[in-house]
Amino acid sequence: AQKITQTQPGMFVQEKEAVTLDCTYDTSDQSYGLFWYKQPSSGEMIFLIYQGSYDEQNATEGRYSLNFQKARKSANLVISASQLGDSAMYFCAMRELLRGAGSYQLTFGKGTKLSVIP
Amino acid sequence: DTGVSQNPRHKITKRGQNVTFRCDPISEHNRLYWYRQTLGQGPEFLTYFQNEAQLEKSRLLSDRFSAERPKGSFSTLEIQRTEQGDSAMYLCASSLVTRAGETQYFGPGTRLLVL
Repeated sequence: AQKITQTQPGMFVQEKEAVTLDCTYDTSDQSYGLFWYKQPSSGEMIFLIYQGSYDEQNATEGRYSLNFQKARKSANLVISASQLGDSAMYFCAMRELLRGAGSYQLTFGKGTKLSVIP
Repeated sequence: DTGVSQNPRHKITKRGQNVTFRCDPISEHNRLYWYRQTLGQGPEFLTYFQNEAQLEKSRLLSDRFSAERPKGSFSTLEIQRTEQGDSAMYLCASSLVTRAGETQYFGPGTRLLVL
C-alpha cells in the first residue's frame, strides 16, 4: 500500500520569503508520479506541479519547484517569494495504478496549512 | 469558465434522506473521478469513469453510494439513506491522457452536512 506523509500540520512564512513544505512517500512501484495541490478555503483543489519518478530534473512551475530526492523518497514543495494569496492548505499526492482499470487514483497526504504573514 | 463544475456547492439534509450531486467535467476530458474529503484529511478516492464506463467502484464506501455517467459527459453521485458520518466534501476531478501524461483537475466540491 502506498502512503504519503506530510509532517507539518501548519507553517508560517513571511511575505516575500521562500518556504519548503515537506512530503515523504512510500511505494514499491518503480514508476510513479507525485503531485502537489493547493486548496484555498473555498475548497477547490488547484493543481500546482507534477514530478515523474523517471524525471531526471526537478520540476518547476513559476514560483513553485519540487525538490525530488528519490533515494530519500521525498518530494518537497518549495514556494519562492511568498504572497498573501499563497495562504491555503497544500496537499502532496501520489499516483497509484488502478489495476485492471487502465488509470490511476491519487493518494493524498493530510496536508499542510500555510499561512503567509504580511 | 471551462473548468470542472459541481452542483450544488452546499447541501444540508436530514439523516435518512437521499442526496444527489452533479459533476460537469472539462469538456474534452474522458476520465472522471469522485473523491471524498473529511475534515482534516486529504481527499479519498471513491470511483472512476472512462467515458460512460465505471471501471473502478470497489472503493465506494458502502452500497448506499452509487455513481453514474450515462452519456460519458456529466456524472452524478447519489447517497441513499444518508447518515451523519456522510458529512464531508465531495470532490469531482476530470482528466485527459496526453503525451505529457495525465493530470486530474478538480472542481470546487459539494459540501454535505447531514443533520
